[in-house]
Amino acid sequence: SDDLTQPPSVSVSPGQTASITCSGDKLRTKYACWYQQKAGQSPALVIFQSSRRPSGIPERFSGSISGKTATLTISGTQTMDEADYFCQAWDSTTPVFGGGTKLTVL
Amino acid sequence: QVQLQESGPRLVRSSETLSLTCTVSGGSISSYYWSWMRQPPGKGLEWIGFLYHNGKTNYSSALKSRVTISGDTSKNQFSLNVTSVTAADTAVYYCARHFAAEVHTWFDPWGQGTLVTVSS
Repeated sequence: SDDLTQPPSVSVSPGQTASITCSGDKLRTKYACWYQQKAGQSPALVIFQSSRRPSGIPERFSGSISGKTATLTISGTQTMDEADYFCQAWDSTTPVFGGGTKLTVL
Repeated sequence: QVQLQESGPRLVRSSETLSLTCTVSGGSISSYYWSWMRQPPGKGLEWIGFLYHNGKTNYSSALKSRVTISGDTSKNQFSLNVTSVTAADTAVYYCARHFAAEVHTWFDPWGQGTLVTVSS
């Protein structure tokens, strides 16, 4: 999607911190959410309202937003965190998604 | 907990109508918003539209002329119709519960998705 820009890929070593950014004018509302999509699975919400974690999501997942950039941070990244991550925001009347970032843990 | 399951034909001929149903369990479609999304193979996510429990709908501007979403509260299901399909409509189609606040929205949970292929 051209509405929200994400890096196509991010690599991180196990135990290190991964940061995935999402930028665009649609973030002027100051709210974003993030989805994790593992291979062959449907997306799962990991962060909503920019920084809130749904029940069952590990504390190592956190979110923040500053200006027109939202950031998903995974602290102490585990191999099970390898997945595609999509950001999503709201554009007046419709939801918009970022293009996705493939997180590789190696 | 709420669970969603998509169902419908996996293969649709070009120019015909794609029809999918989402069955909701563990919760009622008479509450919340309910959305459809799609994801072409190897690509990103695209929101298609939502249904509110009062029957209100809203559709993506890119698909608005070809999409209809409706609900059946007696079966706790909501459905998607996309007319005049082409190969570009080949995608995994997902249904999801849709939370909407004044300036924010999110989807949780999602169905497992169903791959629909448009054939010529």
